[in-house]
Amino acid sequence: DTGVSQDPRHKITKRGQNVTFRCDPISEHNRLYWYRQTLGQGPEFLTYFQNEAQLEKSRLLSDRFSAERPKGSFSTLEIQRTEQGDSAMYLCASSFPLADRGEQFFGPGTRLTVL
Amino acid sequence: QQQVKQSPQSLIVQKGGIPIINCAYENTAFDYFPWYQQFPGKGPALLIAIRPDVSEKKEGRFTISFNKSAKQFSLHIMDSQPGDSATYFCAASMGDSGGGADGLTFGKGTHLIIQP
Repeated sequence: DTGVSQDPRHKITKRGQNVTFRCDPISEHNRLYWYRQTLGQGPEFLTYFQNEAQLEKSRLLSDRFSAERPKGSFSTLEIQRTEQGDSAMYLCASSFPLADRGEQFFGPGTRLTVL
Repeated sequence: QQQVKQSPQSLIVQKGGIPIINCAYENTAFDYFPWYQQFPGKGPALLIAIRPDVSEKKEGRFTISFNKSAKQFSLHIMDSQPGDSATYFCAASMGDSGGGADGLTFGKGTHLIIQP
């Protein structure tokens, strides 16, 4: 396994458009996390799945954001009606079941630019 | 309210020196403290992590020192090399006994430059 993968790596969109990102975790991992990282800041937690169940959402995750993990494998993060403030790197991470929850393995991220 | 405070924001060290990065946390429910290394255009990569039942952990050239009473922990990089130049993030999370599997809370990062 080559690790966590994310697609696309870069996305440029116009304000008001919808965008969707995909994350493929390490295959045996059942936990999947989404984070957002803005320039010069640390990643900020957005949401978390255990298998297909979305167990936690940060207050940063506004109503315009939705995440799914339909079969407990890959996950998608959709942003509706994008705003310039949504411009950031969106990171996905996964971890082993019942392991140290800090041992999260991150993907390379999707950089979103909203014009 | 920032729950994990990291300093310094940037650091320049000569090759072979020992950069030290410090973090302080507020939430006493945190019980797992990892450090991540991030290169430009890449996702963070786990370097080393510690739990509060030990005061020090070493892995290769990286050492974490942990002071539970002061709610502080730090990263030391021994024999630093130019290839260690990167942004370093401390983080914290709560254990499963905290009632949920919340994500990591990160510091703001330290931009480290190791000069040849």
